[in-house]
Amino acid sequence: GAGVSQSPSNKVTEKGKDVELRCDPISGHTALYWYRQSLGQGLEFLIYFQGNSAPDKSGLPSDRFSAERTGGSVSTLTIQRTQQEDSAVYLCASSLQETQYFGPGTRLLVL
Amino acid sequence: GDSVTQMEGPVTLSEEAFLTINCTYTATGYPSLFWYVQYPGEGLQLLLKATKADDKGSNKGFEATYRKETTSFHLEKGSVQVSDSAVYFCALSDLMYSGGGADGLTFGKGTHLIIQP
Repeated sequence: GAGVSQSPSNKVTEKGKDVELRCDPISGHTALYWYRQSLGQGLEFLIYFQGNSAPDKSGLPSDRFSAERTGGSVSTLTIQRTQQEDSAVYLCASSLQETQYFGPGTRLLVL
Repeated sequence: GDSVTQMEGPVTLSEEAFLTINCTYTATGYPSLFWYVQYPGEGLQLLLKATKADDKGSNKGFEATYRKETTSFHLEKGSVQVSDSAVYFCALSDLMYSGGGADGLTFGKGTHLIIQP
């Protein structure tokens, strides 16, 4: 079946602009996660949605980052007023139980 | 908080050599342990997992045993191939409750493995 998909695959933006990254999880998966992969920090957990519960935002690095999940399926990660240090690959994963399945990522470059 | 420590590379081996990538962890709950692999130009893929002490995960000739007494989950393969060249990530999920779902994964820094023919 279809895996986790993310769009866009690459995004170049100017410092100070807002960006939206999209994630389509595997159908039927109740949990959805966002991670950031960067050279300096490795893989960092950002935010976690489980069903209709309030999301776990404990990993978000600043209030410029937010995410929502509509209808328990598609999720959007929004970064406002982007900074150069936001440049990274943003990964989405979904799961039904404990095993997380990752999408291909969105490579974000902030100039 | 939870953490994962793994040997950082690059690790360079010849084809058919024996591979060990060390991974140790600290966790407050009852973690499940994972190895993920990232091949060049590709996304993260689950390689194997173990959900409780003494479980052995295995896949594609790779194995790892969940050792609670040493808080370790070392990855091993008896005879590596050039196609095993990739970055390997050890990770844990600290499942604090039953009923499905889990916290975000805590990853190690990753080990870059290079296999030479």
